Amino acid sequence: ELKVEQNPLFLSMQEGKNYTIYCNYSTTSDRLYWYRQDPGKSLESLFVLLSNGAVKQEGRLMASLDTKARLSTLHITAAVHDLSATYFCAVDVGSGTYKYIFGTGTRLKVLA
Amino acid sequence: EAQVTQNPRYLITVTGKKLTVTCSQNMNHEYMSWYRQDPGLGLRQIYYSMNVEVTDKGDVPEGYKVSRKEKRNFPLILESPSPNQTSLYFCASRAGGLFTDTQYFGPGTRLTVL
Repeated sequence: ELKVEQNPLFLSMQEGKNYTIYCNYSTTSDRLYWYRQDPGKSLESLFVLLSNGAVKQEGRLMASLDTKARLSTLHITAAVHDLSATYFCAVDVGSGTYKYIFGTGTRLKVLA
Repeated sequence: EAQVTQNPRYLITVTGKKLTVTCSQNMNHEYMSWYRQDPGLGLRQIYYSMNVEVTDKGDVPEGYKVSRKEKRNFPLILESPSPNQTSLYFCASRAGGLFTDTQYFGPGTRLTVL
């Protein structure tokens, strides 16, 4: 069974701290995506990682992909309250098809 | 403005009463998809379409139908809704091609089946 697992599921952290969210997947895929969802809102695309070793950064967020380990990380640097949201990773299981498996999400709360 | 729209946004219905949730995108995207979101389960793909008249099952297709007669529209049909289809539904689209992978999501449709 294809699985995408995120850790942790819940994360409460103080402003200014660093932390990493992990996304493990069980299928061979070299395409991984990160999304953000604010409470009561839709999903917003954050990062698209398309090859082994890919690293992308936007502001205080940095995402990386290790396809050999089947692991992606989303690193948060010096967290601020505005980063409070739920973060999802997703994997394209069909190598260019549109069949995606999502993780269950990590709910992040940044405390002022 | 580039967007994915869904209608209705909220719907309360009764078991067995057929319903359709519409989805439309104005970005000329080839790919469109439907997801459902349930607490603790993340998003699960119901159906997807890679172009007009080309659709395929996602992870949880049972109880749903789709059609793709025009590029911009991808309606989700529940022929005989049941309470376990109570959920938050999202439509999404993306352009074709291997390096244009950004998915754009609609605002969501909250469905309650009594």
